[in-house]
Amino acid sequence: NAGVMQNPRHLVRRRGQEARLRCSPMKGHSHVYWYRQLPEEGLKFMVYLQKENIIDESGMPKERFSAEFPKEGPSILRIQQVVRGDSAAYFCASSANRGNTEAFFGQGTRLTVV
Amino acid sequence: DQQVKQNSPSLSVQEGRISILNCDYTNSMFDYFLWYKKYPAEGPTFLISISSIKDKNEDGRFTVFLNKSAKHLSLHIVPSQPGDSAVYFCAARSGSTLGRLYFGRGTQLTVWP
Repeated sequence: NAGVMQNPRHLVRRRGQEARLRCSPMKGHSHVYWYRQLPEEGLKFMVYLQKENIIDESGMPKERFSAEFPKEGPSILRIQQVVRGDSAAYFCASSANRGNTEAFFGQGTRLTVV
Repeated sequence: DQQVKQNSPSLSVQEGRISILNCDYTNSMFDYFLWYKKYPAEGPTFLISISSIKDKNEDGRFTVFLNKSAKHLSLHIVPSQPGDSAVYFCAARSGSTLGRLYFGRGTQLTVWP
């Protein structure tokens, strides 16, 4: 997990607020992936980004969720108007290549919506 | 659509014995398979992988076997150690959707002394 930094580690939001999750990939990695893990479930793919581009967002809910990976700075996963069902662990991974054959994960952000 | 399935939510093994974790998949387009290990409150850590053109890959105490005709893979850990106690996730990649990994629900391995 060394190198992929996610913050915050824990985030508490009230229903209706916005949540912003940040991910800094490993040095030299330009491919970022976001996954969500609900309780008792495996990781579910949300979105795949390369610098300034969204490559695959097929796993992202159509409303309230957005992601970006600007030229400078970390990747951001934004959840607007959070609901209780958004409570989960959100993991970011990065890789040096598009094939994702060795993706390294961050420690995750645990989002709790109260 | 659970395309990667780990049907055993838990496995308990004595230290020194072999641990065998199983994984089944349904998508014949999967061409690369990975195993990740996860401790509580941490992110998944890559363990070992195998390409669909192989049937076995070994790395120290860890060996992954792939049976394409049965769409089944397994992870063998021998000898098992208490530090191996964690949740193990099987994941797969499709050549048509590079970047996206499909994960199973995980198997909690407990290695007891």
